[in-house]
Amino acid sequence: GDSVTQMEGPVTLSEEAFLTINCTYTATGYPSLFWYVQYPGEGLQLLLKATKADDKGSNKGFEATYRKETTSFHLEKGSVQVSDSAVYFCALSVRGAQKLVFGQGTRLTINP
Amino acid sequence: DTGVSQDPRHKITKRGQNVTFRCDPISEHNRLYWYRQTLGQGPEFLTYFQNEAQLEKSRLLSDRFSAERPKGSFSTLEIQRTEQGDSAMYLCASSSPASGLDEQFFGPGTRLTVL
Repeated sequence: GDSVTQMEGPVTLSEEAFLTINCTYTATGYPSLFWYVQYPGEGLQLLLKATKADDKGSNKGFEATYRKETTSFHLEKGSVQVSDSAVYFCALSVRGAQKLVFGQGTRLTINP
Repeated sequence: DTGVSQDPRHKITKRGQNVTFRCDPISEHNRLYWYRQTLGQGPEFLTYFQNEAQLEKSRLLSDRFSAERPKGSFSTLEIQRTEQGDSAMYLCASSSPASGLDEQFFGPGTRLTVL
């Protein structure tokens, strides 16, 4: 079945460090790929998405590129801030199936 | 419109009791989804509606669970004869063709604790 595997957390970095959170997927069709973020005490928010191979999604300084050959959608940010501390979820949806399939989440903590 | 809302935000109940949660989607969103999230895990799909029609149910949704969306607006999720294993965060999301059917907007969730 369709599945998403994320880098295990928690991840702790210093402010201005480079961030990578790995995400790989298995899907029977051609999925759309997403990163959602959950800030403390808040609901899930869409951070960025990509709908086809080689697309790059970007938002708030975060980027992820849809790599079909490696079935990956790694999240990157060049310089993290304390306000980026949150739980990050990679997810997919397969065309024709409306549900989102999520990874287990990666908790990120940024220290000043 | 302030987004997807859910009520209550927290529910504590005793094993064997019935509980009902409500979700109000973003206005004019015709698709509504329910997910369950246990501690340390990502959300898992339970069911979804297009307007008032329930179009897909996960095998996670045992016969103790039922969801409705009677007028194609708000939805309710009922759990009968609750078990301790039902303790989780229950999330609702909605989407519309205008925003892209695959872009789901989530509510804050209802946290259920079964004692």
